[in-house]
Amino acid sequence: DIVMTQTPLSLPVTLGQPASISCRSSQSLVHSDGNTYLSWLQQRPGQPPRLLIYKISNRFSGVPDRFSGSGAGTDFTLKISRVEAEDVGVYYCMQATQFPRTFGRGTKVEIK
Amino acid sequence: EVQLLESGGGLVQPGGSLRLSCAASGFTFSDYAMSWVRQAPGQGLEWVSAINQRSDSNTYYADSVKGRFSISRDNSKNTLYLQMNIVRAEDTAVYFCAKTHYDILDVWGQGTTVTVSS
Repeated sequence: DIVMTQTPLSLPVTLGQPASISCRSSQSLVHSDGNTYLSWLQQRPGQPPRLLIYKISNRFSGVPDRFSGSGAGTDFTLKISRVEAEDVGVYYCMQATQFPRTFGRGTKVEIK
Repeated sequence: EVQLLESGGGLVQPGGSLRLSCAASGFTFSDYAMSWVRQAPGQGLEWVSAINQRSDSNTYYADSVKGRFSISRDNSKNTLYLQMNIVRAEDTAVYFCAKTHYDILDVWGQGTTVTVSS
């Protein structure tokens, strides 16, 4: 199984400041079809997960442009350009290149 | 608006069975694969199972549920199912269904809670 390692697991941030979360996979996420199925999801307290970013860097419908994704192969990053209060929650990376699909342990973003 | 509504959760004894349902609306259900993901209390997300678009299509399972859980769908009813057999305490979780578009879990339901306890 592909292991997804997220860092940090806890991220205190100041409102209006940038934030960055790293996700590393134990093997390349490049699929045989040429795509890299790395997604980022946000889970606000008491809510279901919500897709933010798919295939490394594509923002899903309705996601603010302060969220961006980057990376390639085994190393990926989610960035929030200016953190807002509504961004508090847990962020997960997920790979869908190979079965079983696997998630990172999650990064808890909180306001300082 | 795309909506997914899970149901069927509850309290079940170890070794028992439960069937979860996920009613879909707002999109052409038969055009999309579907997935189940669970979240144990206070824990992260764990992928459980997936099924391709057709009712007799390919199915996939996490090792932790293989041989005990069965995923299926009824495209005429726009409904996804998860049959859970021989449940264990470690199956206690909130179960989410997710619309799956080219391997991307793009829309998630609110979840249904399963508690396995005697």
